[in-house]
Amino acid sequence: QKEVEQNSGPLSVPEGAIASLNCTYSDRGSQSFFWYRQYSGKSPELIMSIYSNGDKEDGRFTAQLNKASQYVSLLIRDSQPSDSATYLCAVNSNAGKSTFGDGTTLTVKP
Amino acid sequence: SAVISQKPSRDICQRGTSLTIQCQVDSQVTMMFWYRQQPGQSLTLIATANQGSEATYESGFVIDKFPISRPNLTFSTLTVSNMSPEDSSIYLCSVGGLTYGYTFGSGTRLTVV
Repeated sequence: QKEVEQNSGPLSVPEGAIASLNCTYSDRGSQSFFWYRQYSGKSPELIMSIYSNGDKEDGRFTAQLNKASQYVSLLIRDSQPSDSATYLCAVNSNAGKSTFGDGTTLTVKP
Repeated sequence: SAVISQKPSRDICQRGTSLTIQCQVDSQVTMMFWYRQQPGQSLTLIATANQGSEATYESGFVIDKFPISRPNLTFSTLTVSNMSPEDSSIYLCSVGGLTYGYTFGSGTRLTVV
């Protein structure tokens, strides 16, 4: 079992729809959780962080964390073609280690 | 957040040679991190570079293959030594940390032929 698992996709949604990206992790002691966006040929860019159970909203992005289920998700509302990218989930453990998932590729179709 | 200048952006190298990648940060940082991203895969941490001490390497990565320098708080280099085609990858430096996440350099796309 991978430490951080994401649906590899690709995930395709129409413009204006909600895109839902999911991530599960194995280390129950994990404390902080991040979502990075990586455009093709570019480096990852941090877009969201979440540290406690519940929802965290930032513009069109909402991160959701459920530590009991070891699950973190990213919702993108009113998806735009410019949101088309690979989204990486990263989990930081108490051991001082940051582990990245393999990423989910999102395509938003006009 | 910090701004990182990384170079070269890409290179094509002959097997058996070495390539040194440089990263310059616009502010002083305690730790810099070097990652590798192989095609279609996620990020794998190579090593953590602290100024004034030896880099700490992750399992599977050794200093002889990936020597790192950290001469001051704004600069670091990673050398990929005695390259083989299996070293073809994107190499990224980053700053930040566990609490607030990482900022990455623009990456070096290495192709070994």
